[in-house]
Amino acid sequence: AQKVTQAQTEISVVEKEDVTLDCVYETRDTTYYLFWYKQPPSGELVFLIRRNSFDEQNEISGRYSWNFQKSTSSFNFTITASQVVDSAVYFCALTTMDSSYKLIFGSGTRLLVRP
Amino acid sequence: DTAVSQTPKYLVTQMGNDKSIKCEQNLGHDTMYWYKQDSKKFLKIMFSYNNKELIINETVPNRFSPKSPDKAHLNLHINSLELGDSAVYFCASSQDRFYGYTFGSGTRLTVV
Repeated sequence: AQKVTQAQTEISVVEKEDVTLDCVYETRDTTYYLFWYKQPPSGELVFLIRRNSFDEQNEISGRYSWNFQKSTSSFNFTITASQVVDSAVYFCALTTMDSSYKLIFGSGTRLLVRP
Repeated sequence: DTAVSQTPKYLVTQMGNDKSIKCEQNLGHDTMYWYKQDSKKFLKIMFSYNNKELIINETVPNRFSPKSPDKAHLNLHINSLELGDSAVYFCASSQDRFYGYTFGSGTRLTVV
């Protein structure tokens, strides 16, 4: 069975601090995709990144970076120099070859960035 | 143009009523979904249609019935609403499951 665990329920940081959101996944499939979504207070779900199981390169996009490690089944997300606008709930998600088009979400991490 | 649009955005209704939520996507995607987000923010899939065919039907009460008149529309009808149905319902679409979903803005359903 597939599963995504986000052990950090809530994180609070002061603006300009770096913060890492953890994501651990479980699957027996060798082909899978991992995602991060952001849900700001306004409620919509915003796509941030997609990563496939064959590409372990880390990715950087502005202040955002992602660290994918198959050895530890983790796909962690780091925000550098956090800003108040980064305050949101962040979801890690997984889809696999046999998940029948299902996107399986973790329980989310609420990030609060204080001024 | 909104890629995935849901209506209404807010829905307040009494227990026992029947209500529908509509979803339309203009992305040309083949697959559409309904997800439920509970009060603890947990997101869980309810249904999925691929080219008007039901392909995922999770453990959802029979009071919930999806309807897909064409591949651009996936509506959710709920009969005999209960307090526990209060949640945010998200519609989404995808062309390829590995590409990810595009979500609608959500419908906040409150049953009183």
